[in-house]
Amino acid sequence: DAKTTQPPSMDCAEGRAANLPCNHSTISGNEYVYWYRQIHSQGPQYIIHGLKNNETNEMASLIITEDRKSSTLILPHATLRDTAVYYCIVRVDRSFSGGSNYKLTFGKGTLLTVNP
Amino acid sequence: KAGVTQTPRYLIKTRGQQVTLSCSPISGHRSVSWYQQTPGQGLQFLFEYFSETQRNKGNFPGRFSGRQFSNSRSEMNVSTLELGDSALYLCASRQRQAANEKLFFGSGTQLSVL
Repeated sequence: DAKTTQPPSMDCAEGRAANLPCNHSTISGNEYVYWYRQIHSQGPQYIIHGLKNNETNEMASLIITEDRKSSTLILPHATLRDTAVYYCIVRVDRSFSGGSNYKLTFGKGTLLTVNP
Repeated sequence: KAGVTQTPRYLIKTRGQQVTLSCSPISGHRSVSWYQQTPGQGLQFLFEYFSETQRNKGNFPGRFSGRQFSNSRSEMNVSTLELGDSALYLCASRQRQAANEKLFFGSGTQLSVL
């Protein structure tokens, strides 16, 4: 799976948009971009994923550049509860008869601190 | 719907002992994965089970093993514990074995080896 690069930390003011960048310059055509976050002492939580097109759900938006070498996770109105480590992961689906392998390779992520 | 449940939440063992951790996936989820999280190495994949069969394995020694039961519940065992095995062990489940699914993680078992 392709390697990702994220800034180690970012700050954001409460109520403002948080834009978390991720570089994945070696991504291949069949690799998806996933975002998870981990709030202290909890397991990671899925946020969003995409292949080529921009995606939006109730939690966030994912913007993928046209060349797919980088992406940005956007939390439109950050709250204090969004303080967490955010992981950008690229993953290829390795299918086999009857299903697929699903292994996430986590990097160090970005510690997002939302300030009041 | 209940989430992924891991027991126990905290565990203290001594070197050389063995330990068994338990994971109950979300109802209807048939795939269970295990991850180890340490401050130095971060989150690392251990193995994944589906239909009681190990489908994928990470780069861990044979002291780490697991199994899955017919009700999809899973256990992870670590034998001959070492100090470096101190970590947060996370279990995750997903509904079916298909691409582009999201993993649902439990809160983990914090293992301390003294």
